[in-house]
Amino acid sequence: KAGVTQTPRYLIKTRGQQVTLSCSPISGHRSVSWYQQTPGQGLQFLFEYFSETQRNKGNFPGRFSGRQFSNSRSEMNVSTLELGDSALYLCASRQGAGSSYEQYFGPGTRLTVT
Amino acid sequence: DAKTTQPPSMDCAEGRAANLPCNHSTISGNEYVYWYRQIHSQGPQYIIHGLKNNETNEMASLIITEDRKSSTLILPHATLRDTAVYYCIVRVDPRNTPLVFGKGTRLSVIA
Repeated sequence: KAGVTQTPRYLIKTRGQQVTLSCSPISGHRSVSWYQQTPGQGLQFLFEYFSETQRNKGNFPGRFSGRQFSNSRSEMNVSTLELGDSALYLCASRQGAGSSYEQYFGPGTRLTVT
Repeated sequence: DAKTTQPPSMDCAEGRAANLPCNHSTISGNEYVYWYRQIHSQGPQYIIHGLKNNETNEMASLIITEDRKSSTLILPHATLRDTAVYYCIVRVDPRNTPLVFGKGTRLSVIA
């Protein structure tokens, strides 16, 4: 079974631009979560989607948004990029509530904002 | 904020058991203990989890003290590929709550 895939793997953007990152979960998994990892703050939860609905949200500004499609694929968007948004963005999937609790992470998208 | 305390780093000789401690003195009765690890440049990987009983799987063993205030992750025969940052996470209702990562323990397995 294929793992979680994230595209693109690397991205360079300029301050003020917006960016969209994509995540394809493991087949059959209906929950997708997003995390941001920086050297200073470590791994921080952004949001989780299940069956196209946002279930949980971390403490990030409204510039960070996401969505999930009917095939469980998810995208996250960051608008008006700031230098501090440079980070590794990780996506994780799991089957969903009431079943497997383990989350399976993708390799991440490394975003650099200049 | 993370509800666990872990040593920032540890070394282990290849082939020996690696014992990674975690303190979670404020854990509640309905909170689980989870372990993940992150190998350099990869996403975190689930290892094991438990509520109050000791658990074992093909990767590791999890020993939780009787008062549940601390636990130890044991990698029975560490290899160089086990070099990673190991995160101990306390989590209530794993179906509906996100993972809250602390700083973890950087384990270096030495040949």
